[in-house]
Order: sequence, then structure tokens, then C-alpha cells
Amino acid sequence: KNQVEQSPQSLIILEGKNCTLQCNYTVSPFSNLRWYKQDTGRGPVSLTIMTFSENTKSNGRYTATLDADTKQSSLHITASQLSDSASYICVVNNQAGTALIFGKGTTLSVSS
Amino acid sequence: DTGVSQDPRHKITKRGQNVTFRCDPISEHNRLYWYRQTLGQGPEFLTYFQNEAQLEKSRLLSDRFSAERPKGSFSTLEIQRTEQGDSAMYLCASSYNLAGVIAFGPGTRLTVT
Repeated sequence: KNQVEQSPQSLIILEGKNCTLQCNYTVSPFSNLRWYKQDTGRGPVSLTIMTFSENTKSNGRYTATLDADTKQSSLHITASQLSDSASYICVVNNQAGTALIFGKGTTLSVSS
Repeated sequence: DTGVSQDPRHKITKRGQNVTFRCDPISEHNRLYWYRQTLGQGPEFLTYFQNEAQLEKSRLLSDRFSAERPKGSFSTLEIQRTEQGDSAMYLCASSYNLAGVIAFGPGTRLTVT
């Protein structure tokens, strides 16, 4: 069964600290992996997209990594800001591309 | 073009009523998706259009749900005889191709009382 598992479920960090969110998937065949940020009550916003051959991709203070062999991805946030408080969702495309398999998300709270 | 837009943003309806939501995708995007999201969960796929053709439907899309994209531009999602279990955020997304960014709209929050 195609699944995307994220950990931790929730995380609280102090402003300015770094954090890493994890995503494990069993989707096969694999097309690409996406990380989205979703503020409460809003639609998800794309952070990164990585294909099978990409190991890392950055978007400002966000850096995503992908290990297609172990089917693991991580999202690293550096120098966190209060505005980073949101749900971070890992999404995997199957090879056909029509199916986006969503994780349940990690809820990040950044406090001052 | 400022992105994917959805209307209304919020809808409160009584059980048994019909509701219709609208999605306007990014103009050059030929692919359009509908998702449903409940609290604490990731979005669940409902259906997908390429231009005006509805190419895929989830088993979540019961016969009370119907989606259209008549001219390959905007799309509507109708829910007939709403039930309390239909209460959720309904998200629309669009993309130009399979590998590119899939842009989401702000969602329509449905509450069935």
C-alpha cells in the first residue's frame, strides 16, 4: 500500500533554533517528493520538489534531502522564525503522476 | 494571475442541503485537482481533470459528489444531500504538468450542521 509517514507528529522549538522533520514513504513507483507548508485554515504552499535523482534542494532557510534508496526525506529549517509555525506536509507522486500521496503532516510551533 | 482561487471561503449548511464550490485555477494550468482535508489529516484526493476531461475519481467521491470542468478552465464541486461527515476543508489545486509545482487554493471550509 502506498503510504507516507511523517515524524514527529508535532514539535515545539524556540525561535532561532534549527529543526529537522522526517518523512518515510513506501510509494512505488516513485516520481517526485514535495514538501508543503500549510498555515492553519489556508491551502498548502509548495516549498520544494525533488525527483529521484536529486539528493538535496534548498529554498531559503528550508533544505530538503532525499534518499531514494531508503525512501526517506527530511526537511531542515534553520534559524526558525515565529512565522514558521505551521503544518509541514510531505507529499509523494507516484510515477503516473496523477496520485499525490499526502502525509498527515508535522505541526511545528515556534515560540519566542 | 495571483494563483488558484476558491469561492466561497466558508460555507455553513444544514444537513440535506446541496452545496456547490467553485475553483479558478492558474490560467495556464491544464490540470486541476480536488482534495478534501479534515482536521489533523493530510489532504485526500477526490478527483482530477486534465483540461475538461475528468480522468480520475477517488472511491471517496460518492454518488452525492459531482465535479465538472466544462470549458477546461474553472471547476465546480457539488455535494448533494450533505451529511455531517462532509464537514471538511475542500482544496482545489492546479498544475501545468506532472513534474511542476502543484499550486493549491485557499480552500473552502464546509460546515454541515
